[in-house]
Amino acid sequence: EVQLMESGGGLVKPGGSLRLSCAASGFPFKFYHMNWVRQAPGKGLEWVSCISSGGTYIFYSDSLKGRVTVSRDDTKNSIYLQMNDLRAEDTGFYYCVRVPPDFDWLSSAGDSWGQGTLVTVSS
Amino acid sequence: QSALTQPASVSGSPGQSITLSCTGTSSDVGGYDYVSWYQQHPGKAPKLLIYDVTQRPSGGSIRFSGSKSGNTASLTISGLQTEDEADYYCSSYRNGTTLAFGGGTRLTV
Repeated sequence: EVQLMESGGGLVKPGGSLRLSCAASGFPFKFYHMNWVRQAPGKGLEWVSCISSGGTYIFYSDSLKGRVTVSRDDTKNSIYLQMNDLRAEDTGFYYCVRVPPDFDWLSSAGDSWGQGTLVTVSS
Repeated sequence: QSALTQPASVSGSPGQSITLSCTGTSSDVGGYDYVSWYQQHPGKAPKLLIYDVTQRPSGGSIRFSGSKSGNTASLTISGLQTEDEADYYCSSYRNGTTLAFGGGTRLTV
């Protein structure tokens, strides 16, 4: 069974940092591209970042570029999202999403989603 | 960057067919066959329904189908069921290595 488990969310003050993790299981992780997608409470979906299989190619949303860094560790079947200089508008659920190897990198958010981890930025 | 345009809400009756729209530009929906659709029930993670405009993921319901004409993509749900009541989002590859989402449509059955 495919499982994606995000962690690392929580309450952080404006200007603070967080590192989100996503642990994958049930599929050959190293062959899959991975996306981060977020959703503010009661709002729509917003793509955050994509990291290709092998980590060769990395893409970021313009709205977050410079404040986030995505990485992966195929030995741990995990991806990470380092977020800095957090703002109130960064509050929301952050989902990691699996992108099959036969999908082009940014053709879709992906076919399997984690349950998300909640980030709250507030003083 | 602006979101793709989706109607805020639509409604239908059980057994009916209904079509949801997703309008972009030639830089996203109209320029690439990379439109996906997702269903999200309250408090749940989104679920992929359609990718590459018309493709269903393995095990996907045949009641969901996708199409595209020009800068507008569509999701058709046939034989509407009460469990189809949810939020629906489209996404598309956009010039400049970006994935754009629509604002979402709330479907009431």
